[in-house]
Amino acid sequence: AQSVTQPDIHITVSEGASLELRCNYSYGATPYLFWYVQSPGQGLQLLLKYFSGDTLVQGIKGFEAEFKRSQSSFNLRKPSVHWSDAAEYFCAVGSDAYTGFQKLVFGTGTRLLVSP
Amino acid sequence: SQTIHQWPATLVQPVGSPLSLECTVEGTSNPNLYWYRQAAGRGLQLLFYSVGIGQISSEVPQNLSASRPQDRQFILSSKKLLLSDSGFYLCAWSRSGQGVHGYTFGSGTRLTVV
Repeated sequence: AQSVTQPDIHITVSEGASLELRCNYSYGATPYLFWYVQSPGQGLQLLLKYFSGDTLVQGIKGFEAEFKRSQSSFNLRKPSVHWSDAAEYFCAVGSDAYTGFQKLVFGTGTRLLVSP
Repeated sequence: SQTIHQWPATLVQPVGSPLSLECTVEGTSNPNLYWYRQAAGRGLQLLFYSVGIGQISSEVPQNLSASRPQDRQFILSSKKLLLSDSGFYLCAWSRSGQGVHGYTFGSGTRLTVV
């Protein structure tokens, strides 16, 4: 079965420090990968997505993610975290190996706290 | 461009009262529609999805129901709310058809059942 794992429930990073949020997936085919961010009390906003091509993907708000097939990972990174980045981050996966309708599979989320 | 509207933003309802949350999408046709719930401190739980008018799939047994009376309208309902129905409800849409499409989420409804 398809699954997505975000092993870190909470992460605390100092403002200005670098950030890496982990995402591992279990899929039998080429995955389509997404990162979403959710600020408190808000809906989810798409940060970036990977479908094919360059494995390093640039997103909004200075985020990037790298697809590593050998490690089944799609980790989210940012070189310098700002206090406004404090939010919950969700990784999601789909696959084009199936015909017809299919749903994205979401991870359980990682809550990012930014310390001054 | 496509937009998704979800209302109300906040709702406080007594136990046993009915519920109706509405979600509409503009700027696209025949979208796939989704209702998610987030309990406090927990991840996303898919409640219902719909691939067309009148077509509703339920992911988990519960006190809630969903309907899609029009192509771009998705309604979440309950006849009698329970305390456990409290949470943050999110509507989302994606393009229909073959392949994988990202979701666009509404801004959510905070439901408190008292």
